[in-house]
Amino acid sequence: GEDVEQSLFLSVREGDSSVINCTYTDSSSTYLYWYKQEPGAGLQLLTYIFSNMDMKQDQRLTVLLNKKDKHLSLRIADTQTGDSAIYFCAERGSGTYKYIFGTGTRLKVLA
Amino acid sequence: GAVVSQHPSWVICKSGTSVKIECRSLDFQATTMFWYRQFPKQSLMLMATSNEGSKATYEQGVEKDKFLINHASLTLSTLTVTSAHPEDSSFYICSVGAASGRAGTDTQYFGPGTRLTVL
Repeated sequence: GEDVEQSLFLSVREGDSSVINCTYTDSSSTYLYWYKQEPGAGLQLLTYIFSNMDMKQDQRLTVLLNKKDKHLSLRIADTQTGDSAIYFCAERGSGTYKYIFGTGTRLKVLA
Repeated sequence: GAVVSQHPSWVICKSGTSVKIECRSLDFQATTMFWYRQFPKQSLMLMATSNEGSKATYEQGVEKDKFLINHASLTLSTLTVTSAHPEDSSFYICSVGAASGRAGTDTQYFGPGTRLTVL
């Protein structure tokens, strides 16, 4: 079945860039998403990318997609303490709302 | 994107009681809503897909008689945990499936979650 994997933890210093990685197995994925979850809260949509794109930039966020390797990454430039949270990638196939979520990466930003 | 609320935000109940959690789509008519549960430090697990006016579709391993879902209108879906037990304690999150010019079609927008603690 489909599987989405992420590294569990990432620690960076304030001002540095953060790169969160995600790998997936479903080659029919058409949309890939990044969500942010702060403690005790729901998920906030950060950005998304279509499967026919290689890169997407949105302010401090850059998403890279390597479809051949089924690898997705989220780069956060100038990481701030407010970026500390859990980041989930999710993939979705065409014609369905159903998501497959990654395991989540806990980002800790050190002042 | 769609704005989604949940009520209550947290609830503590005694074992054996039933608890109802509401999920409302505040600015979007949602034909499809989803219910997830999340254990501490874990990812989201899809429990069921709620379709307005029809029966919910439950994921494998989720007891439909335990977790009753009602999607009676385009803005409200409810999840009732019947005869709750301590192992049902979890964070329950709903989402709305919505088409959005910003996020492409069929994107999910999430509610803030409800923390259930069963004593």
